[in-house]
Amino acid sequence: IAGITQAPTSQILAAGRRMTLRCTQDMRHNAMYWYRQDLGLGLRLIHYSNTAGTTGKGEVPDGYSVSRANTDDFPLTLASAVPSQTSVYFCASSEGPGHSPGTEAFFGQGTRLTVV
Amino acid sequence: AQTVTQSQPEMSVQEAETVTLSCTYDTSENNYYLFWYKQPPSRQMILVIRQEAYKQQNATENRFSVNFQKAAESFSLKISDSQLGDTAMYFCAFMKLLPLRDDKIIFGKGTRLHILP
Repeated sequence: IAGITQAPTSQILAAGRRMTLRCTQDMRHNAMYWYRQDLGLGLRLIHYSNTAGTTGKGEVPDGYSVSRANTDDFPLTLASAVPSQTSVYFCASSEGPGHSPGTEAFFGQGTRLTVV
Repeated sequence: AQTVTQSQPEMSVQEAETVTLSCTYDTSENNYYLFWYKQPPSRQMILVIRQEAYKQQNATENRFSVNFQKAAESFSLKISDSQLGDTAMYFCAFMKLLPLRDDKIIFGKGTRLHILP
């Protein structure tokens, strides 16, 4: 089934540890995004990539890094996790800039991360 | 920069009633898309409905319809004959019609909707 797959679905992580959240899509979408969802704050964009080989910072990029080596994969790395990074993380994809208008974002199932 | 505001953090209605969720946005763009996403307890983000700003006709999808007021920058979602399965968090979102390289999809903070039996 076409879509976006995130792994893991949940994780408890010790503060200071390094963690990579994985995201893979098979829709050949150009744009991919990482959001974090926190109660009362909605979805906030962490990083994005409009095409393979390029990335950009979103609203809350500090403490996170991303890479986009190919079209399908967009991993999010926490270099040294802190408790404030406890959140639900969503990966999403869309056709992206310059492509057919009206395409919405497709989301993965989310990763619940708890930093203790 | 675009902003999306959902002024109702939480709402409750009885099953079978009609409920309207509010969304306002601020943009200098003339052509754009607006979306409503539903997030049930399963956490999955599901597209409910989409509206193209250049279309005057309000979008409808079965029991879901929107009231799009472009001049007022308002985009409310109406759920008719609400069902228990409609219980979810609802997000309003904005996207430019022809986004430039650094443009993103902008989300509101969400409205948590409870459908009561």
